[in-house]
Amino acid sequence: GAGVSQSPRYKVAKRGQDVALRCDPISGHVSLFWYQQALGQGPEFLTYFQNEAQLDKSGLPSDRFFAERPEGSVSTLKIQRTQQEDSAVYLCASSLVIYNEQFFGPGTRLTVL
Amino acid sequence: GESVGLHLPTLSVQEGDNSIINCAYSNSASDYFIWYKQESGKGPQFIIDIRSNMDKRQGQRVTVLLNKTVKHLSLQIAATQPGDSAVYFCADKTGANNLFFGTGTRLTVIP
Repeated sequence: GAGVSQSPRYKVAKRGQDVALRCDPISGHVSLFWYQQALGQGPEFLTYFQNEAQLDKSGLPSDRFFAERPEGSVSTLKIQRTQQEDSAVYLCASSLVIYNEQFFGPGTRLTVL
Repeated sequence: GESVGLHLPTLSVQEGDNSIINCAYSNSASDYFIWYKQESGKGPQFIIDIRSNMDKRQGQRVTVLLNKTVKHLSLQIAATQPGDSAVYFCADKTGANNLFFGTGTRLTVIP
């Protein structure tokens, strides 16, 4: 079916606001990844899920960042008390199984004013 | 720090010419490498991959070369077309699940 989708595509937040970014992976994909891409840079790993289990969150930059995937499909990345340095494109990717090709969504561009 | 990096941030080629995009990596334990293409406003799109037990892999109009001795990876695009204009990233994986991306090279195809 459809590829990875993300919503919203664009989000503007005032500094200090909380935001929630949604990722709908490809149906049946077990693995789900979140990446942060700053302007002019390559994506940087944030966290990884296998089904509903968050197996690696070593890339989350601070405890203001939280991700969940409660039913093993849709995932939400939440950023609390946003700061200007959080401005970036947040990419979600999914893969059928752990070592397979990762398919990326279009990303959510977050701008913190 | 990042384990991969790119030599050139931009590359301009004439339509129909071949393009070569280079990438260096530092982690000798890396065992899987991927090239991605990213167009403006879109997520990275898989182009081709190669495992560390290979030194060359070919796809449709693309070839990836891996030189483990000097930790160098390249992407060759044959007969470059305007639709190839994008930012190209190399990424590596060292047995773990996540990918480590380089900074990227912007390829511009001149008609």
